Amino acid sequence: AQSVTQLDSQVPVFEEAPVELRCNYSSSVSVYLFWYVQYPNQGLQLLLKYLSGSTLVESINGFEAEFNKSQTSFHLRKPSVHISDTAEYFCAVAGGTSYGKLTFGQGTILTVHP
Amino acid sequence: EPEVTQTPSHQVTQMGQEVILRCVPISNHLYFYWYRQILGQKVEFLVSFYNNEISEKSEIFDDQFSVERPDGSNFTLKIRSTKLEDSAMYFCASRTDQETQYFGPGTRLLVL
Repeated sequence: AQSVTQLDSQVPVFEEAPVELRCNYSSSVSVYLFWYVQYPNQGLQLLLKYLSGSTLVESINGFEAEFNKSQTSFHLRKPSVHISDTAEYFCAVAGGTSYGKLTFGQGTILTVHP
Repeated sequence: EPEVTQTPSHQVTQMGQEVILRCVPISNHLYFYWYRQILGQKVEFLVSFYNNEISEKSEIFDDQFSVERPDGSNFTLKIRSTKLEDSAMYFCASRTDQETQYFGPGTRLLVL
């Protein structure tokens, strides 16, 4: 069985500050890792993913995440946040079955203040 | 860009009534999923569907739930007799044989 832990339920930051949203997972098999973002009253949008290859993955809007197998982590970072980044962020893992169900973390609410 | 769509966006129903939530996955996708998110809780897997049959289901997905792909484009989730605790946001997702799942905007179900 897999599990995902997002260590922070809420992260408040000021605009243009850096941010890190933490995600740890446990799994007995190789995994694929994802970050999804949910803006208020909207669905889940894929932000970035790690499937294989380079352990550092980036999104088009400046977020990045690094897969660390030894620490079983996939933390999300952004060097300078904008007000528009305010949303809930979900870390998710898939693996172990060919049908690929996702197991989600509890979510982290990022609030960017002016 | 193709996207997953879901209807209705909101559904209010009385306890004990049947509801059908509808999804149109991306057209060339092969794997289909339903998840739910109870208010304030994490997103939970309900069921996966491949090759016209359920491939995996969670403990939540009991006999009150069923899924169907009736016409090759729609993917439906039926709850036969709704309970108060079925109130949640229900998300449909789909993917090709690659790992990335694409989610619809969700249906917010409220059971009174």
